[in-house]
Amino acid sequence: AQKVTQAQTEISVVEKEDVTLDCVYETRDTTYYLFWYKQPPSGELVFLIRRNSFDEQNEISGRYSWNFQKSTSSFNFTITASQVVDSAVYFCALSADNAGNMLTFGGGTRLMVKP
Amino acid sequence: GAGVSQSPSNKVTEKGKDVELRCDPISGHTALYWYRQSLGQGLEFLIYFQGNSAPDKSGLPSDRFSAERTGGSVSTLTIQRTQQEDSAVYLCASSAAAGILGEQYFGPGTRLTVT
Repeated sequence: AQKVTQAQTEISVVEKEDVTLDCVYETRDTTYYLFWYKQPPSGELVFLIRRNSFDEQNEISGRYSWNFQKSTSSFNFTITASQVVDSAVYFCALSADNAGNMLTFGGGTRLMVKP
Repeated sequence: GAGVSQSPSNKVTEKGKDVELRCDPISGHTALYWYRQSLGQGLEFLIYFQGNSAPDKSGLPSDRFSAERTGGSVSTLTIQRTQQEDSAVYLCASSAAAGILGEQYFGPGTRLTVT
């Protein structure tokens, strides 16, 4: 069975602060993908990143960066110099090779960035 | 190009009535997914269609739920004899590639309220 845990249900920061959203996953599969999605107040899920289980290289995209560590089964997401527009619910998700291709989502972390 | 579209955007129905929710995937996408987002359960997988293969129905919560995908494109999710616990946002996603390689693009969702 697959499981994704986002222990932080809600985080509040002040604009320009850095913030890290935690994600821990469980799977017995050796081939899997990890994802982060953003859900702004409008409600539509927006794809941010996909990493496969064989690539532990960290990735940076602008103010966003991701830290994938198989040793701790974690895939954390950091926003540097947060902005009010970053306010949203962020979901971590897992798709495993032998789990029917669907996404298993974590419970989400609501990020509130205050001006 | 056009993204995934869903209709209606909102649906209010009385307990016991049947409802149909529609999803138009991105043109050319072979894979289509239905998910449900509710307060108590988070984001849950419901059903997955891939090409002409038999759908993966492993996430459907009861036999009151069914889905079709006609001509490999448009999909309809049907909920019979709706119950209050069916109230949720129903999200559709499509992807161009099969399996876990496919990045899933989500529609805006249909908010279902059962009174």
